[in-house]
Amino acid sequence: QKEVEQNSGPLSVPEGAIASLNCTYSDRVSQSFFWYRQYSGKSPELIMSIYSNGDKEDGRFTAQLNKASQYVSLLIRDSQPSDSATYLCAVSGGGADGLTFGKGTHLIIQP
Amino acid sequence: NAGVMQNPRHLVRRRGQEARLRCSPMKGHSHVYWYRQLPEEGLKFMVYLQKENIIDESGMPKERFSAEFPKEGPSILRIQQVVRGDSAAYFCASSPIGQASAKNIQYFGAGTRLSVL
Repeated sequence: QKEVEQNSGPLSVPEGAIASLNCTYSDRVSQSFFWYRQYSGKSPELIMSIYSNGDKEDGRFTAQLNKASQYVSLLIRDSQPSDSATYLCAVSGGGADGLTFGKGTHLIIQP
Repeated sequence: NAGVMQNPRHLVRRRGQEARLRCSPMKGHSHVYWYRQLPEEGLKFMVYLQKENIIDESGMPKERFSAEFPKEGPSILRIQQVVRGDSAAYFCASSPIGQASAKNIQYFGAGTRLSVL
């Protein structure tokens, strides 16, 4: 049974600070890792994807992957109130299979 | 370049009725996934389909739920004899898997919010 664990929060971060979101997964053969953002009542929106160990940066977002520790993280620099949302960590085997999602971390950026 | 289209956006059914949820994938995508999100819960995978084939239905309840993706037209998630516990948001995603660089990135539609009275 694949499992993805996230701290549900809420995680409160001051505007302009770095928000750090964490995720662990149970299936060692997982190959593809994703962060989605979901505003209340809306659909998940892809923020980042990462497939190999290390860091991947895209604008204010950095995803970090450590397969040995089965750990994925998302850093949001210069946090904005519009970043307030639930962030979903998702994992797949790398092929054309369904994603396994964590329950999400509720992030609040305080102006 | 239209995204993943789902309809209806909201669906109200009484207990015992049937619910039909439709999903048209993004242009160029031939792989469709259905997920269910219960209140205060994470997204749960239900079924993965390609045109005219169910590839993986390991997350689908054994009774009352079925899915199809015909050669022509949208993918359909069908729930027979709905119960109050079926009330949830149902999301469809599509991917262009089959391309070497696709890496199974899935793009989500706006969802159908089913309410069972």
